Amino acid sequence: QKEVEQNSGPLSVPEGAIASLNCTYSDRGSQSFFWYRQYSGKSPELIMFIYSNGDKEDGRFTAQLNKASQYVSLLIRDSQPSDSATYLCAVWSSGTYKYIFGTGTRLKVLA
Amino acid sequence: DVKVTQSSRYLVKRTGEKVFLECVQDMDHENMFWYRQDPGLGLRLIYFSYDVKMKEKGDIPEGYSVSREKKERFSLILESASTNQTSMYLCASSLIRDSFTDTQYFGPGTRLTVL
Repeated sequence: QKEVEQNSGPLSVPEGAIASLNCTYSDRGSQSFFWYRQYSGKSPELIMFIYSNGDKEDGRFTAQLNKASQYVSLLIRDSQPSDSATYLCAVWSSGTYKYIFGTGTRLKVLA
Repeated sequence: DVKVTQSSRYLVKRTGEKVFLECVQDMDHENMFWYRQDPGLGLRLIYFSYDVKMKEKGDIPEGYSVSREKKERFSLILESASTNQTSMYLCASSLIRDSFTDTQYFGPGTRLTVL
């Protein structure tokens, strides 16, 4: 079992819809969870992070964390074609001081 | 504004050459990381450093070494480049080692091709 799992996609949504991206992790000691966006040929850029159970909102983005079920999700409201990218989930654990990345989900927003 | 820079965006080297990839951050961050990213495999940690002259192996350190002589600079060295080291190399930095709110910031990446 991979430590951090994401569906590779592509996930296709129409413009204006809500895109839902999911990530599961195996280490119950994980404390922080990050979402990065990566455009083709570019480096990852941070969207947001979450460390408490529940929802965290930042503009059109909402991160949701459920530690009991070991999953974290990212919702993108009012999706735009410019949101088309690969979204990486990363998990940090104080036990290892390392960030573990998923392989990413490719999102396509159709105009 | 957060800034991580890498010495080259694209690099082409020959098998057996010694390759240096440089990374500089101007945010006074303690931690620096080197990853490689390959299709279908995601980001894999090669080495990281949480202090000057300190280094720790990541998940795939074989064939690589690192150097951190100054806080702002972290170098990745391919002792004898091989074709299976063709990849995108990403440097990242973060502020504090032991903080669950710490965040990594990435440089633009170096696409290395070994012929």
